[in-house]
Amino acid sequence: EPEVTQTPSHQVTQMGQEVILRCVPISNHLYFYWYRQILGQKVEFLVSFYNNEISEKSEIFDDQFSVERPDGSNFTLKIRSTKLEDSAMYFCASSDPDISNYGYTFGSGTRLTVV
Amino acid sequence: GDSVVQTEGQVLPSEGDSLIVNCSYETTQYPSLFWYVQYPGEGPQLHLKAMKANDKGRNKGFEAMYRKETTSFHLEKDSVQESDSAVYFCALSVDNFNKFYFGSGTKLNVKP
Repeated sequence: EPEVTQTPSHQVTQMGQEVILRCVPISNHLYFYWYRQILGQKVEFLVSFYNNEISEKSEIFDDQFSVERPDGSNFTLKIRSTKLEDSAMYFCASSDPDISNYGYTFGSGTRLTVV
Repeated sequence: GDSVVQTEGQVLPSEGDSLIVNCSYETTQYPSLFWYVQYPGEGPQLHLKAMKANDKGRNKGFEAMYRKETTSFHLEKDSVQESDSAVYFCALSVDNFNKFYFGSGTKLNVKP
């Protein structure tokens, strides 16, 4: 079964450093997303991306965050200057262009620890 | 705004017990409703869904009825098994799945 792949599975970084979280969405999917889950809390929407641009973003997704699809397969989330409160699981997801198929799939996540 | 409220914390039934995990939603639009399941070290996985009012989602003995009149989507199972243990999230989507609003999650821990 096709899956969304995220790397690394765990990233430790110092406060103030830049991090890039990487995702390989399912190959025929056209819509891409990032979500965040702070330990023990709900999964929160960060951003959606379609046709090489952001289609929607939440208030969490401030100027410190950016997304990019640098090539035909990867989808990245960059945090420019990490803060302690950015520590969380970050989930990438992608979805099928045919909404009736409902192919919305999450990756296994990257645990980001900011120290 | 759009939101979901579900049974908080942990539920500790014994194997063979019946289960109800409550979920209520709030939105001014017409949502699709979902239950996601999350196992340790993994991302959320779709468990069941209902696209419109009076639809019933079903999967692995679990059911949830989309009730517009009570804005609810409670997750039910007649007889839980130890293998059902996981975290369950209720979620809604209102804009053709552009994004999901998740509840806070309910940890189901079934005692053998």
